[in-house]
Amino acid sequence: QKEVEQNSGPLSVPEGAIASLNCTYSDRGSQSFFWYRQYSGKSPELIMFIYSNGDKEDGRFTAQLNKASQYVSLLIRDSQPSDSATYLCAVQEAGNNRKLIWGLGTSLAVNP
Amino acid sequence: EAQVTQNPRYLITVTGKKLTVTCSQNMNHEYMSWYRQDPGLGLRQIYYSMNVEVTDKGDVPEGYKVSRKEKRNFPLILESPSPNQTSLYFCASSLFKGRGNQPQHFGDGTRLSIL
Repeated sequence: QKEVEQNSGPLSVPEGAIASLNCTYSDRGSQSFFWYRQYSGKSPELIMFIYSNGDKEDGRFTAQLNKASQYVSLLIRDSQPSDSATYLCAVQEAGNNRKLIWGLGTSLAVNP
Repeated sequence: EAQVTQNPRYLITVTGKKLTVTCSQNMNHEYMSWYRQDPGLGLRQIYYSMNVEVTDKGDVPEGYKVSRKEKRNFPLILESPSPNQTSLYFCASSLFKGRGNQPQHFGDGTRLSIL
């Protein structure tokens, strides 16, 4: 069973701090990795995607990928209360470029 | 504005009464997909479509049908809804290139209650 695992949280950080969200995956051949943000009752919204090992930065967000260790992380710098949401990690299934495997999400609470 | 549009947004209906949830995208995306989201179970794929007239089952296809007669539309059909299909449903679309999945764009969701 191919899996994507995330700590359900809640992860609580003070405003202005760095929030670190982690995701591990079981499918060693996976090539594409996505982070989505979902507010309660709303649809998932793409935050970042990453294909290569290393870091990818976009504004306050940095995605980090380590294929050897099979983890992908999302760092949120200068966290704001508006960042409070559930963060979903999605990983493309190896050998099946039509399918994403979704984690259950990590709930993040940024406290003013 | 690039978007995925689902209708209806909310629906309460009764067991056995056929219903259709429509999904339309204006981004000329090849790939479209239906998910359901339930507490503790996350997003689960129901069906997906690679292009017109090409559809395939996801992880939880039982009780659902889809069609892809036009590139922009991908309706979800519940022929005989049952209470266990009460859920939050999302339609999503994306480009599909050689490396596979591109970032998916989601509709606003349809909250479906089957009594």
